[in-house]
Amino acid sequence: DTGVSQNPRHKITKRGQNVTFRCDPISEHNRLYWYRQTLGQGPEFLTYFQNEAQLEKSRLLSDRFSAERPKGSFSTLEIQRTEQGDSAMYLCAHSGRLTETQYFGPGTRLLVL
Amino acid sequence: QKEVEQDPGPLSVPEGAIVSLNCTYSNSAFQYFMWYRQYSRKGPELLMYTYSSGNKEDGRFTAQVDKSSKYISLFIRDSQPSDSATYLCAMSDWMDSSYKLIFGSGTRLLVRP
Repeated sequence: DTGVSQNPRHKITKRGQNVTFRCDPISEHNRLYWYRQTLGQGPEFLTYFQNEAQLEKSRLLSDRFSAERPKGSFSTLEIQRTEQGDSAMYLCAHSGRLTETQYFGPGTRLLVL
Repeated sequence: QKEVEQDPGPLSVPEGAIVSLNCTYSNSAFQYFMWYRQYSRKGPELLMYTYSSGNKEDGRFTAQVDKSSKYISLFIRDSQPSDSATYLCAMSDWMDSSYKLIFGSGTRLLVRP
């Protein structure tokens, strides 16, 4: 158990629809990260939060993407006007006892038709 | 050229073999090195963490970092069919306060019974 749950686990949507994913760390960890992983590739950094503050966003995070972490606990990632290129696994991670280590949730697999 | 290069495999070995997995990288500021194991359709699981150069051993797993060559390795002794998975190397820059991870593309390992 990595201490992170993600919902939903799978999402199929039609192009142009909006989707929202949720990440729940079991306990309140200082840092929370979002990554995206496409088939045959390693995860790529999207954004991270320190408590409720979003401190960095990757250039991969277009203006159709928005992430929040209200109250510094759970986090949501919303994709507006989904495109087929958004199909990927979206992973949430929290920092461990050592700040430089990260523990990942099971991911949300998105398929955009 | 990617910052972190990893042979995608697949690597197929018989049960009981010693497995060697490797990554090379280009950013000399990388200081934190991790290996993750990822089963199909699951999130990455942290296996080993090494700070800077040197070796670290944990059960059947040994991680090595050679910063002079910008080369890291993961050795698996007495490999088991349950070790069949994709192995991802990941690293982060000590000057980057986000500690975001840069991943290799993963090596798929198959351990034959």
